[in-house]
Amino acid sequence: AQKVTQAQTEISVVEKEDVTLDCVYETRDTTYYLFWYKQPPSGELVFLIRRNSFDEQNEISGRYSWNFQKSTSSFNFTITASQVVDSAVYFCALSGLNTNAGKSTFGDGTTLTVKP
Amino acid sequence: DAGITQSPRYKITETGRQVTLMCHQTWSHSYMFWYRQDLGHGLRLIYYSAAADITDKGEVPDGYVVSRSKTENFPLTLESATRSQTSVYFCASSEYSSGANVLTFGAGSRLTVL
Repeated sequence: AQKVTQAQTEISVVEKEDVTLDCVYETRDTTYYLFWYKQPPSGELVFLIRRNSFDEQNEISGRYSWNFQKSTSSFNFTITASQVVDSAVYFCALSGLNTNAGKSTFGDGTTLTVKP
Repeated sequence: DAGITQSPRYKITETGRQVTLMCHQTWSHSYMFWYRQDLGHGLRLIYYSAAADITDKGEVPDGYVVSRSKTENFPLTLESATRSQTSVYFCASSEYSSGANVLTFGAGSRLTVL
């Protein structure tokens, strides 16, 4: 069985602070994929990043960076110099290679509030 | 417009009524999915479809019915709505079944059952 845990239910920071959203996962698959999705206050769900289990390189995209560590089964997401527009619910998700994409396991989400 | 369109975006109904949420995608993706989002539960899969006329249950299918007569449409019906079905419903699609695939979501339908 797969499981994704986002232990931080809510995080509140002041603009320009750095913030890390934690994601810990459990799977028996040897090949799997990890995702982050963003849900801004408008409600839509937007894909941010996908990582496969063989690629442990950290990824940086502008102010966003992701740290994947198989040793600790974690796929954490850091926002540097946060902005009000980063306020959203962020979901981490896990899918085995042979798991139907739509049957991905989602965490419960972390609500990030960035105050001006 | 390309993408996934859900309708209605907002719906208020009464207990016992039938409600149908529509989902239409323009990519000809094979796979389509219905999720519900409730506070503290993340996203939970209700039903999914691998192709026209092929559907299967997800994690929380009770009280819901789906059909897929055409590849582009995947309506979700609540045959007799209950208050516990008050939720935000998301339709999603993916081109392939592989776990590597990214899900593309519709804008969501907020349903309130009184």
